[in-house]
Amino acid sequence: EVQLVESGGALVQPGGSLRLSCVASGFTFSNIWMGWVRQTPGKGLEWVAHIKTDGSERYYVDSVEGRFTISRDNAKNSVSLQMNSLRVEDTAVYYCTRLVVPDATYNWFDPWGQGTLVTVSS
Amino acid sequence: AIQMTQSPSSLSASVGDRVTITCRTSQGISNDLGWYQQKPGKAPKVLIYGATNLQTGVSPRFSGSGSGTDFTLTISSLQPEDSATYYCLQDNTYPWTFGQGTKVEIK
Repeated sequence: EVQLVESGGALVQPGGSLRLSCVASGFTFSNIWMGWVRQTPGKGLEWVAHIKTDGSERYYVDSVEGRFTISRDNAKNSVSLQMNSLRVEDTAVYYCTRLVVPDATYNWFDPWGQGTLVTVSS
Repeated sequence: AIQMTQSPSSLSASVGDRVTITCRTSQGISNDLGWYQQKPGKAPKVLIYGATNLQTGVSPRFSGSGSGTDFTLTISSLQPEDSATYYCLQDNTYPWTFGQGTKVEIK
C-alpha cells in the first residue's frame, strides 16, 4: 500500500522556522517526483513546491520562493520542506503528495498524506 | 500566474441529478488539467487527469471534458457519497494553480 506520513507541524511565531518531513512507503521513492500542497483553514488548496526524482529540479510558488526549500533523501524515502521567515499567511495544513508522471504526458497528485498543521501566530 | 475561475462555488442537487462544474483558465493550457475531490477532514483525491482521463478506481459516473481554456467535470448521476468539494488544478505552467473549489451538497 502506498503511504505518505507527514510530521513536523507546530505553532511558530512570525519570522520563525519549521521543518516538515514526509516518509513514504509502498513504492520506489527514488523514481518519483514529490510535492507539497497546502490548505489554509476553511479555504482552498495551494500548490507549494515539488522536487524531481534526484533533487536536480525544484519548483516553488512565488509566495514561498526564497523562504522555503524542498529537499529529499532517497536513502530514507523522505521529502522535507524547510520553512524560514514564516508569515501569518503561511498558516495551513500542509500535505505531502506523490506526483505521478507516467510518461511525461500527464501529471497528477496521488496519493496525499493526512496533512500536518502549521500555525504561524504570536 | 494562470488564473483559475471555477464555478459555481457551491451547488445543491438531488440524488440522481446530472451535475456540471466548470473551470476556466486565464490562458490556454492544452489538456493539462486535473480534478480533485475532497471530503471534510480528508485529503484530496484525484478523479480526472489530463482533462479527460478517469483515474483508476474512480466511479465512471465522473467524467471530464475540455481543452484550451474551458473544462468541465460532470457527475452523471449524483450519489450521496459525492457530497464533497471539487477542485480543478492546472499543471501546464508554473506555478501550478487550483481553482477556488465547488462545494456539492445533496438536497
